[in-house]
Amino acid sequence: QVQLVQSGPEVKKPGSSVNVSCKSLGESFSTYTINWVRQAPGQRFEWMGRIMPGLGRTDYAQKFQGRVTMTADKSTRTAYLEIASLTSDDSAIFYCTRNSMGARSHWYFDLWGRGTLVSVSS
Amino acid sequence: IVLTQSPDTLSLSPGDRATLSCRASRRLSSNFLAWYQHRPGQAPRLLMYGSSNRASGVPDRFSGSGSGTDFTLTINGLAPEDFAVYFCHQYDNSLAFSFGQGTKLEI
Repeated sequence: QVQLVQSGPEVKKPGSSVNVSCKSLGESFSTYTINWVRQAPGQRFEWMGRIMPGLGRTDYAQKFQGRVTMTADKSTRTAYLEIASLTSDDSAIFYCTRNSMGARSHWYFDLWGRGTLVSVSS
Repeated sequence: IVLTQSPDTLSLSPGDRATLSCRASRRLSSNFLAWYQHRPGQAPRLLMYGSSNRASGVPDRFSGSGSGTDFTLTINGLAPEDFAVYFCHQYDNSLAFSFGQGTKLEI
């Protein structure tokens, strides 16, 4: 069954970093773009950026540039999101989601992970 | 691009028709707008893309319409499993995707 399986919940201290993983099961990894989206409590979804594992290319939303790093390991079909210098404002559920590469008409998200809760508290 | 959904909450009964709205702050080229269903604790599910194209496996009671800045998701004959949160997503701006705040469809 095609799915994106995310790592488990994390509890972090302010100033630390967190690494969230997203493993693709069932389909080719390199023909898709993996996006990361966060949802803070009571807030709407917010796009953080994308990685194209087949090309090794990343794009980050302006808000997250410099503090977020997205990587991917094609051999394990796993994408990673690292967030540095965490603050309590980073407490949220982080989702990985995918879209087909190619024309912009295909950039909707056809598959999502179930999300990873990251709690930042002293 | 800011997406504003209305209403925030919609209270209906099984069998009713639901009409959900998503308005964009500027015109979307080629109607690059998608709708998703989200149940608590589950992965969001793609319903519609390109405004009016139903995703694979989505029942035909779901339909999407609209263009430019105004988009609508309609659910005819609500089933019990349809009560969830629905949100829209624009993928027109490739470096700044954005989402609506969601509409909660409740019984």
